Amino acid sequence: QSALTQPASVSGSPGQSITISCTGTTSDVGAYNYVSWYQQHPGKAPKLMIYDVNDRPSGVSNRFSGSKSGNTASLTISGLQAEDEADYYCSSYTSSSTCVFGTGTKVTVL
Amino acid sequence: QVQLVQSGSELRKPGASVKVSCKASGYMFTSYAMNWVRQAPGQGLEWMGWINTNTGNPTYAQGFTGRFVFSLDTSTAYLQISSLKAEDTAVYYCARDEGSTWYNFDYWGQGTPVIVSS
Repeated sequence: QSALTQPASVSGSPGQSITISCTGTTSDVGAYNYVSWYQQHPGKAPKLMIYDVNDRPSGVSNRFSGSKSGNTASLTISGLQAEDEADYYCSSYTSSSTCVFGTGTKVTVL
Repeated sequence: QVQLVQSGSELRKPGASVKVSCKASGYMFTSYAMNWVRQAPGQGLEWMGWINTNTGNPTYAQGFTGRFVFSLDTSTAYLQISSLKAEDTAVYYCARDEGSTWYNFDYWGQGTPVIVSS
């Protein structure tokens, strides 16, 4: 199972909105609405930000939202803040009943 | 509150074995599957597989069969890696699956660095 494809880096200024893409195949992202997004600050464990494409766990800011079209899922961060600077990973359920992560995206707040 | 507390950093020589623990508290351990995730230095997350905490049945991802073993004890999950290689150097995380659908990891351990070096 190949990793899902994410851009290596995305940047934006405070207050702006950015979108991170996560491209898979018809065997994972395109087949199921089971895409999650994780935020990871340096030296820390990942944190669940979005699950099932567009649901937010309790306590996660509504500045984070998810969507999906075809084989590509997206995470949008609106009102970008300095604390959003981190690595972001998508993941998806697959047709083999396994989990696959994305390649990861480094978000920089300019 | 839910907590997953992992064992500390490990340094091993190639060919040796290591056992990482993940102690859960604050919830019913047998109600949530436990997953393991690897992160090599400067690299992304890699799903290793999961263990059914009710039955003890493990499922291993491709690339993590043979030398990797998931096991359980009271409220604790374990990852054992045998015949260690330099490429096993990584941080290993346990992660609880919240269970409503598929592979939503809502709580994570702090990570256990494993360094394999002669």
